[in-house]
Amino acid sequence: DAKTTQPPSMDCAEGRAANLPCNHSTISGNEYVYWYRQIHSQGPQYIIHGLKNNETNEMASLIITEDRKSSTLILPHATLRDTAVYYCIVRDLSGSKLTFGTGTRLQVTL
Amino acid sequence: NAGVTQTPKFRVLKTGQSMTLLCAQDMNHEYMYWYRQDPGMGLRLIHYSVGEGTTAKGEVPDGYNVSRLKKQNFLLGLESAAPSQTSVYFCASSYPPGLGFYEQYFGPGTRLTVT
Repeated sequence: DAKTTQPPSMDCAEGRAANLPCNHSTISGNEYVYWYRQIHSQGPQYIIHGLKNNETNEMASLIITEDRKSSTLILPHATLRDTAVYYCIVRDLSGSKLTFGTGTRLQVTL
Repeated sequence: NAGVTQTPKFRVLKTGQSMTLLCAQDMNHEYMYWYRQDPGMGLRLIHYSVGEGTTAKGEVPDGYNVSRLKKQNFLLGLESAAPSQTSVYFCASSYPPGLGFYEQYFGPGTRLTVT
């Protein structure tokens, strides 16, 4: 699976959009981009995934660049409860394993 | 649905002692996984199972054994605990990976300290 690079930490004011970047320049055509988050040492929680189109669900939006070498997770109106470590993961279509890096620690402040 | 549950939540062991961590899921998932997470690190895969009666090694399998006798349960054993195994252990389960959607559901974790 392709390697991902994320900033170690970010801050965001409550109510504002949080934009979390991820670089996956070696991604191949059959690899998906997944995002998970981990709130305060709980088990990780799935957020969203995509292949090449932008995706949106009730939690977030995922923007993938046209060349698929990077992506951005957007939390449109961040709340204090969104404070967590966010992991960007690239997974092969048939792969059953997720490789977690160190992620981005998002701190949402008042 | 309870989802993925882990037993126990906390445990303190002395070096050389043994123990078994239990993971149970009620979602009828074929695949199950054991991860460990050390402070400031991401999760690392220890062992996983693609079905009842099958297990496979992950990234950091040394010092651990696993068994999957029933589809809903995945056990992680430490035969002779070492301080380096002090960590938080997470279990997860999923359907088989296929085309498109694939999600792992995680348990709440077991915090293990080996003194």
